[in-house]
Amino acid sequence: DIQMTQSPSAMSASVGDRVTITCRASQGVFNYLVWFRQKPGKVPERLISAASSLQSGVPSRFSGSGSQTEFTLTISNLQPEDSATYYCLQHNSYPLTFGGGTKVEIK
Amino acid sequence: QVQLVESGGGVVQPGRSLRLSCAASGFRFGDYGIHWVRQAPGKGLEWVAMIWYDGSNEYYGDAVKGRCTISRDNSRNTVNMEVNSLRDEDTAVYYCVRDGGGRLGAFDIWGQGTKVIVSS
Repeated sequence: DIQMTQSPSAMSASVGDRVTITCRASQGVFNYLVWFRQKPGKVPERLISAASSLQSGVPSRFSGSGSQTEFTLTISNLQPEDSATYYCLQHNSYPLTFGGGTKVEIK
Repeated sequence: QVQLVESGGGVVQPGRSLRLSCAASGFRFGDYGIHWVRQAPGKGLEWVAMIWYDGSNEYYGDAVKGRCTISRDNSRNTVNMEVNSLRDEDTAVYYCVRDGGGRLGAFDIWGQGTKVIVSS
């Protein structure tokens, strides 16, 4: 099974900051990598697919990069509504696996 | 509008079985694979199972393999998942999620989830 190691597990940042979340895959997944945001009590929503393709309607301050084993989600100009938990998912091979999540708190 | 609606959750005793359903509307259901993803209380997301658009292939996560069967009825726009021999650790919100295939189509639409509590 492919392990997805996401870091950090939690972080606190200020409005306007640039935030970077990393997902490392235990083996290459090409760019079959999706990023989700889950606000407290809500359903997860897809932010980015194919490692770097922004979902329609998602603010352009979100961006994704990487391939194979290392991926990053960057939030530039952090906003209060970005307080949430972020997850990566590899869907290159079964069983699919999520990262453990990164909880982003606004200072 | 594009929608997935889960049902079938509730309180169930350990060792019993549960059948969850996912009803789709607003899109060509037979063109999409469907996943089940669950989230235990206070925990992260866990992929559970997947069925291809035509039902020809199924995949299961390690936690449910051998205890779970996923099926679909494209004439009724529904996917069902039966989980047997339920354990405490199966307690979670279960989401069904659409998959359009390829790098760009995966996991774009989520249902609201159905809560399963395994408890005696």
